[in-house]
Amino acid sequence: AQSVSQHNHHVILSEAASLELGCNYSYGGTVNLFWYVQYPGQHLQLLLKYFSGDPLVKGIKGFEAEFIKSKFSFNLRKPSVQWSDTAEYFCAVNAGGSYIPTFGRGTSLIVHP
Amino acid sequence: KAGVTQTPRYLIKTRGQQVTLSCSPISGHRSVSWYQQTPGQGLQFLFEYFSETQRNKGNFPGRFSGRQFSNSRSEMNVSTLELGDSALYLCASSLHSAGADTQYFGPGTRLTVL
Repeated sequence: AQSVSQHNHHVILSEAASLELGCNYSYGGTVNLFWYVQYPGQHLQLLLKYFSGDPLVKGIKGFEAEFIKSKFSFNLRKPSVQWSDTAEYFCAVNAGGSYIPTFGRGTSLIVHP
Repeated sequence: KAGVTQTPRYLIKTRGQQVTLSCSPISGHRSVSWYQQTPGQGLQFLFEYFSETQRNKGNFPGRFSGRQFSNSRSEMNVSTLELGDSALYLCASSLHSAGADTQYFGPGTRLTVL
């Protein structure tokens, strides 16, 4: 069965700091990869996704993620965070044509102004 | 386009009772998935419905069931509630597949079991 690991459960940063959230999965074949974000009091929403092509994917609000197949990773990055980026971030993986996406346990990000 | 809606938003039940949650997907979306979100476990997949058929099921007991209607609206039922069922239940819709398409999530139903 596929699994997804988000190693950072809680991250606290100051504004303008750089961000990298880790996501690793356990499946050797074709994968669809997603990052979702849940802002306080709001719905879970898509930040970015990778299906194929350029492994560097750009999403909304200046976020990007890089798919590194050899490392089974899909880390989320942002060069300079803002207070409004305070949220919970979830990595999700769908592997091998499965209809069931597997979510990581989430990373809570707090950005201090 | 209206988003995914879920009703009710909050529910308080006692152990042993049953509950039904409702989800209306985005118009045109045929896949509806349900998730249980808890602080300790994150998002756990319950099941997915497509064209009124359960296409996939997660690792939850049979007390958790669902159905989908011809207009793609979906309901989830939990019978014989236990304290551990307290959670945020999220519904997500997608065009064809929870695994291959972007999922659009609703606000969730917060279930508290006393």
